[in-house]
Amino acid sequence: IVLTQSPGTLSLSPGERATLSCRASQSVSSNYLAWYQQKPGQAPRLLIYGASSRATGIPDRFSGSGSGTDFTLTISRLEPEDFAVYYCQQYGSSPRTFGQGTKVEIK
Amino acid sequence: EVQLVESGGGLVQPGGSLRISCAASGFTFTNYVMSWVRQAPGKGLEWVSAMSSGSSTYYADSVKGRFTISRDNSKNTLYLQMNSLRAEDTAVYYCAKASGSSWPYYFDNWGQGTLVTVSS
Repeated sequence: IVLTQSPGTLSLSPGERATLSCRASQSVSSNYLAWYQQKPGQAPRLLIYGASSRATGIPDRFSGSGSGTDFTLTISRLEPEDFAVYYCQQYGSSPRTFGQGTKVEIK
Repeated sequence: EVQLVESGGGLVQPGGSLRISCAASGFTFTNYVMSWVRQAPGKGLEWVSAMSSGSSTYYADSVKGRFTISRDNSKNTLYLQMNSLRAEDTAVYYCAKASGSSWPYYFDNWGQGTLVTVSS
């Protein structure tokens, strides 16, 4: 399954809402879709699994939605620490595949 | 607290071999699938290989036949033996803990990574 994320880069200001898209080339089995955040020089961190369940310790300004082939990660109000690269990943089919990433940068 | 600490990365010539390791702590190692995910410089994430506690192994097509994943459950350590290395294998290799003992699983904890550079 090929995952296509858009936009490639999102330029926003702190306090604004961020909407990131992840589109799959075929339906993701049982919505087995995860989102990860990666900051420069750091390992990825799990944010969302099962398309909409927040991982332990993730603030509620992060939310995931969608089903089938279209998924969205929303950050309701950007905090300074949220500027990073975000990846979606499907884990319903083999091989597990990642999207190419969306960079959220400070405008 | 889950900790995953990779080691063994370095510079290797094309066609060479390298073994990287991941020491795990803070959870019951035998209860989880473990995996390797890599990231080429400036690029995205690519799943490489996974291994269940029951010794089932899985590989990306790009490394099948060249890489071998293994684990020593007595030492809580995951390994990746990489042979016939190519320039395109240059990447940071992350050790990732799966969310469960079998499919389906996502990656809920990651190590800090070890850099493998393939160059003459």
